[in-house]
Amino acid sequence: QQQVKQSPQSLIVQKGGISIINCAYENTAFDYFPWYQQFPGKGPALLIAIRPDVSEKKEGRFTISFNKSAKQFSLHIMDSQPGDSATYFCAASFTGGGNKLTFGTGTQLKVEL
Amino acid sequence: GAVVSQHPSWVICKSGTSVKIECRSLDFQATTMFWYRQFPKQSLMLMATSNEGSKATYEQGVEKDKFLINHASLTLSTLTVTSAHPEDSSFYICSATSGGGMGETQYFGPGTRLLVL
Repeated sequence: QQQVKQSPQSLIVQKGGISIINCAYENTAFDYFPWYQQFPGKGPALLIAIRPDVSEKKEGRFTISFNKSAKQFSLHIMDSQPGDSATYFCAASFTGGGNKLTFGTGTQLKVEL
Repeated sequence: GAVVSQHPSWVICKSGTSVKIECRSLDFQATTMFWYRQFPKQSLMLMATSNEGSKATYEQGVEKDKFLINHASLTLSTLTVTSAHPEDSSFYICSATSGGGMGETQYFGPGTRLLVL
């Protein structure tokens, strides 16, 4: 019940295209959903996060869409650039859970010219 | 703001020796720090949670006597891999959170790559 399922495992997008990564969860107690970006040999960096009281959050080219009833959330990267090539992890945590994050399995994104 | 550093960034050691990795929050007080392990092309695996001034809480399957964690101050946590063996070779990453205005956001360090020969 603690799992967060992430898909696809890898994704190739043309420059300027939209990259979409999906995550699904089971634990209805989760109330915080961040996305992290990780470059090879580096630690993850917080990209954007959402709480279940909103269905969408946008920051620049990055948008999280959240569907509480379906227990799914997704990351959309608009106008994808080669510099966006990295591994993306979704995660979830819940209030009272000691701030512990449950991570998805990761998506390796490659943006081609 | 919210910068977390780790030292060293990489370390090579001989089998049987101990290695200490430091994790520091540079511009905030971290009430909670987390230690993760990551194998190539895999997700982050939480090893333990440490709160300042108290004993670390280890995840199931993580040997607490092998991975010693100390969170002595609000800005420093250390992970010591004792009697390291080649199977301990991995990428170790810490994260920190302070609650309050930061909420539950975890900020990650750059990671430490450990190679045990």
